[in-house]
Amino acid sequence: EPEVTQTPSHQVTQMGQEVILRCVPISNHLYFYWYRQILGQKVEFLVSFYNNEISEKSEIFDDQFSVERPDGSNFTLKIRSTKLEDSAMYFCASSGPTTQYFGPGTRLTVL
Amino acid sequence: EDQVTQSPEALRLQEGESSSLNCSYTVSGLRGLFWYRQDPGKGPEFLFTLYSAGEEKEKERLKATLTKKESFLHITAPKPEDSATYLCAVQAPRNTDKLIFGTGTRLQVFP
Repeated sequence: EPEVTQTPSHQVTQMGQEVILRCVPISNHLYFYWYRQILGQKVEFLVSFYNNEISEKSEIFDDQFSVERPDGSNFTLKIRSTKLEDSAMYFCASSGPTTQYFGPGTRLTVL
Repeated sequence: EDQVTQSPEALRLQEGESSSLNCSYTVSGLRGLFWYRQDPGKGPEFLFTLYSAGEEKEKERLKATLTKKESFLHITAPKPEDSATYLCAVQAPRNTDKLIFGTGTRLQVFP
């Protein structure tokens, strides 16, 4: 069964460093998303991406964040200068017409 | 403001003891209501999508129902492997694909 994959599973970084989180969406899906979940809190929407451009972004998704689909399979989230409050689980999701399927997540720890 | 509230926050059941989880929502123009299961440290796993009041979906011991204000996830004769956090999410008007999540119900089923 097709699934969304994410790498790495855990990333530890120093405050101020840049990180890139990677995702491989389900192959025939056209819509891609990033969400995050701070420990003990709700899953929160960050950004949606369709047809090689951002279709919607939340207030959280400020200038420190960017997304890219560098080739036909990968979808990445870059955080330019990490802050302590960026520590969270980051989930990639992809969808066809309706249902969003989530990857296993990347746990980002900012020290 | 679009909002999703889940209750109870936590539920402990004996194996075989049926119960229901509640998801109340306020959203202007519901496009879809989604139920996901989340195991600790993992990504949300899709269970059901409901689109209109009166709709019901079933999968093994789980049954999801939808009214104009809330959704219920009924668990019949649960087993320990049903232990997880169950997340409800709504998708709002036609110009957005983002999911708005509730905080989830943490279910523990004891043998």
